Amino acid sequence: DGGITQSPKYLFRKEGQNVTLSCEQNLNHDAMYWYRQDPGQGLRLIYYSQIVNDFQKGDIAEGYSVSREKKESFPLTVTSAQKNPTAFYLCASSIRRRDRYFYGYTFGSGTRLTVV
Amino acid sequence: AQSVTQLGSHVSVSEGALVLLRCNYSSSVPPYLFWYVQYPNQGLQLLLKYTSAATLVKGINGFEAEFKKSETSFHLTKPSAHMSDAAEYFCAVSVLYGNKLVFGAGTILRVKS
Repeated sequence: DGGITQSPKYLFRKEGQNVTLSCEQNLNHDAMYWYRQDPGQGLRLIYYSQIVNDFQKGDIAEGYSVSREKKESFPLTVTSAQKNPTAFYLCASSIRRRDRYFYGYTFGSGTRLTVV
Repeated sequence: AQSVTQLGSHVSVSEGALVLLRCNYSSSVPPYLFWYVQYPNQGLQLLLKYTSAATLVKGINGFEAEFKKSETSFHLTKPSAHMSDAAEYFCAVSVLYGNKLVFGAGTILRVKS
């Protein structure tokens, strides 16, 4: 079955460490997205990528980095510069269309990151 | 810029009662509107979407939503709540050619037996 796989499900980070969250999709979607979720704040966009080797900052990109070397993969690195990284991280993908229609996102099951 | 406001961070209903979750949007151009549901420690699942066809949209699990341009609203309803409907619900907006969603803060639905 096609879908998006996020790993690991739970991740613990020590102060000052960089960590990388994995996101892989086999839906043949062009666009991929990373969101951060905190209680009562909804989902906030970190980075997104519409095509391979190209990505744009979202609303809260500081302290994060991404790469898009393959269509199927969009890993997110949480760097030591991110001062409050404890959150639930969601990866999503979508068909990228040039016409007016937008189907919406397919989401992964998320990674919960905790700073210890 | 586009935005959505979900009225009520928590809603509590009795099993069998009407579910009404409110969403108002702000957009200077015709929007596409979405409702997603999230169960604890899981990703989001699409319930339904409005893409400028019929204003009354039916989704999965018996939910529906009505797009009202004059009220800039897209409220989610279900005639009879079930215990399995307890979850967090998110309204989201995208603009034409946008390929990107902006989410509301979410509404946690509690269903009492």
